[in-house]
Amino acid sequence: TQLLEQSPQFLSIQEGENLTVYCNSSSVFSSLQWYRQEPGEGPVLLVTVVTGGEVKKLKRLTFQFGDARKDSSLHITAAQPGDTGLYLCAGDAVGGGGADGLTFGKGTHLIIQP
Amino acid sequence: EPEVTQTPSHQVTQMGQEVILRCVPISNHLYFYWYRQILGQKVEFLVSFYNNEISEKSEIFDDQFSVERPDGSNFTLKIRSTKLEDSAMYFCASRRDTNTEAFFGQGTRLTVV
Repeated sequence: TQLLEQSPQFLSIQEGENLTVYCNSSSVFSSLQWYRQEPGEGPVLLVTVVTGGEVKKLKRLTFQFGDARKDSSLHITAAQPGDTGLYLCAGDAVGGGGADGLTFGKGTHLIIQP
Repeated sequence: EPEVTQTPSHQVTQMGQEVILRCVPISNHLYFYWYRQILGQKVEFLVSFYNNEISEKSEIFDDQFSVERPDGSNFTLKIRSTKLEDSAMYFCASRRDTNTEAFFGQGTRLTVV
């Protein structure tokens, strides 16, 4: 069974600060996706990383896939109150061919205080 | 922008009743999924569907669950005899191909009383 561990589980910081959240596993994933989920709604895709060592930027958000494709990080620069939400990472199993579905982490609850 | 749509948004049902949750995946997508999220817990994979048949299912997806693609657009999840512990958000997702992005619907909140 593949597991994704996200840390920290909860993070509350002041507006303007930088932060990094982590998504770790002992298993290799063929790709990793980051989602943001608002209460009572479905996960909304932020980014997909596929290649080991890949870095993708989305405005103030920087996503990195580990060289071994076992871990990923999300770094937010100059956090804004609008960044508040639940951030989920989800991985595709190697060799699953898309049939296995995504394995989700429990998420990081992020609160940015004005 | 294309999106996955789910109906109903909320469903309250008596224990033992059958429910059908409906999804319209993105039109050019080939892989369809159902996931479940119990309140306060992580999103869990239930079943995947490709080429008009189940590709993979988790241990949660027991004989009480079934999926169907009755026409070219709808994708349904049926729970035959609901239990209290089936109360959860159910999300439908679709993707165009393997290792492409998976897009999720807004979910159906199922409450079994």
